Amino acid sequence: EDQVTQSPEALRLQEGESSSLNCSYTVSGLRGLFWYRQDPGKGPEFLFTLYSAGEEKEKERLKATLTKKESFLHITAPKPEDSATYLCAVQANYNNNDMRFGAGTRLTVKP
Amino acid sequence: NAGVTQTPKFQVLKTGQSMTLQCAQDMNHEYMSWYRQDPGMGLRLIHYSVGAGITDQGEVPNGYNVSRSTTEDFPLRLLSAAPSQTSVYFCASSPIGREQYFGPGTRLTVT
Repeated sequence: EDQVTQSPEALRLQEGESSSLNCSYTVSGLRGLFWYRQDPGKGPEFLFTLYSAGEEKEKERLKATLTKKESFLHITAPKPEDSATYLCAVQANYNNNDMRFGAGTRLTVKP
Repeated sequence: NAGVTQTPKFQVLKTGQSMTLQCAQDMNHEYMSWYRQDPGMGLRLIHYSVGAGITDQGEVPNGYNVSRSTTEDFPLRLLSAAPSQTSVYFCASSPIGREQYFGPGTRLTVT
């Protein structure tokens, strides 16, 4: 069965303190790995898609990387507005559509 | 573009009542899905559709029905509400095999 595990569950950082969030997965043939940001009371907002090991994507202070077993979301010099829950999801080759989500990492950035 | 819209935003039901959660998208996406989100758990897929007239079950379909008569609309019906269905419900849409775009959610409480 496809599984997605995110760690840590919660992370508190000072403004400017860089760190990484982890998403480890087991899936029978990865089609794509997706990162989303979710603010309280809102729906998830798409950030990145990664398709193959070694691929990297960047957006402002965020960089996502992918290996054969896990993905990292690196946050460089975070600001308070980066506070949110970050969700990871995998999509398998045998099913073009369904996504399996992790439970998320709740990030808090203190000024 | 309004994107993905959901109504209502909040709903309180008594055990045994039925109701329909509405979802609409204006992006002409083939794929639409319903998820529920519970504390400490990832988004879990309830039902999905790959086009008008085609629906299928996800991970947690019991107690829910869906239909898709148009590309735009994908309502979720609770047949006989139970306290275990207290959750936040998200609708999402996407082109086949691509990143999904989520609505703002419906917070449902069953007493």
